[in-house]
Amino acid sequence: KAGVTQTPRYLIKTRGQQVTLSCSPISGHRSVSWYQQTPGQGLQFLFEYFSETQRNKGNFPGRFSGRQFSNSRSEMNVSTLELGDSALYLCASSRTPQETQYFGPGTRLLVL
Amino acid sequence: DQQVKQNSPSLSVQEGRISILNCDYTNSMFDYFLWYKKYPAEGPTFLISISSIKDKNEDGRFTVFLNKSAKHLSLHIVPSQPGDSAVYFCAARDSGNTPLVFGKGTRLSVIA
Repeated sequence: KAGVTQTPRYLIKTRGQQVTLSCSPISGHRSVSWYQQTPGQGLQFLFEYFSETQRNKGNFPGRFSGRQFSNSRSEMNVSTLELGDSALYLCASSRTPQETQYFGPGTRLLVL
Repeated sequence: DQQVKQNSPSLSVQEGRISILNCDYTNSMFDYFLWYKKYPAEGPTFLISISSIKDKNEDGRFTVFLNKSAKHLSLHIVPSQPGDSAVYFCAARDSGNTPLVFGKGTRLSVIA
C-alpha cells in the first residue's frame, strides 16, 4: 500500500508570494491533518479534515487555509508569505480522526 | 501553554544499552498516547501507542510505560542500536474532537 505522498518536496518562494501544497493520503484514509515543523518548536497543528469538512484549525493566521477533496486528497495554501513561514510542512492521514496518523515526507518551504 | 512536554532536548546512549525517553502532559483528559520517530528529511514514523486503560505496551525492542497519576509516560528502547538515532516525538489526544498534541521532541544519539 502506498504511503502518504506530498508534493512538491521542496519549494523556494519570496516574501509576499503565495504557495499551495498538496497531500495524497493512504488509500482508504479519509482524515488528513497538516502540521508545521520549525526548529525547536516540534509539530504545530494547522488543520484537520475528515470527509471534506474541516474539523479543527490550529492557532495560525488566516493566511493559512486548506481544503479536502472528495477523493480525500488535501491542499493547503499560504498567502502573502512571510520569512517566518519557512518550515517543513507535514501531512498525516488516518482512516478516521481517532485512529493512528501516518505521515508523509513533508514539503520543505523556504521563504526568501 | 504546552500540554505535552519533552524536557530533554537530547540524549546520548551507548549501543546495546537502554534508552529511556520521557514525556509529561498536563491535560488530564488525554487518554491516548503515541510515540513517533523522525529521521532528517523524512516525515515522522509511528512507533508505538498506549491507551489510558493500560500502563504498559510492548512491541519488540520498544516499550511504553504510562503513569496516569504522575501524568508521565516513557519510551524504553532495549537494546539501543545506532539506527535508533533520530528525534522522538511524544503525542497525546483525548477522546473528543480535539487534534493530536505533540511535544517538541528528544534527539536520541546511539553511539557505537
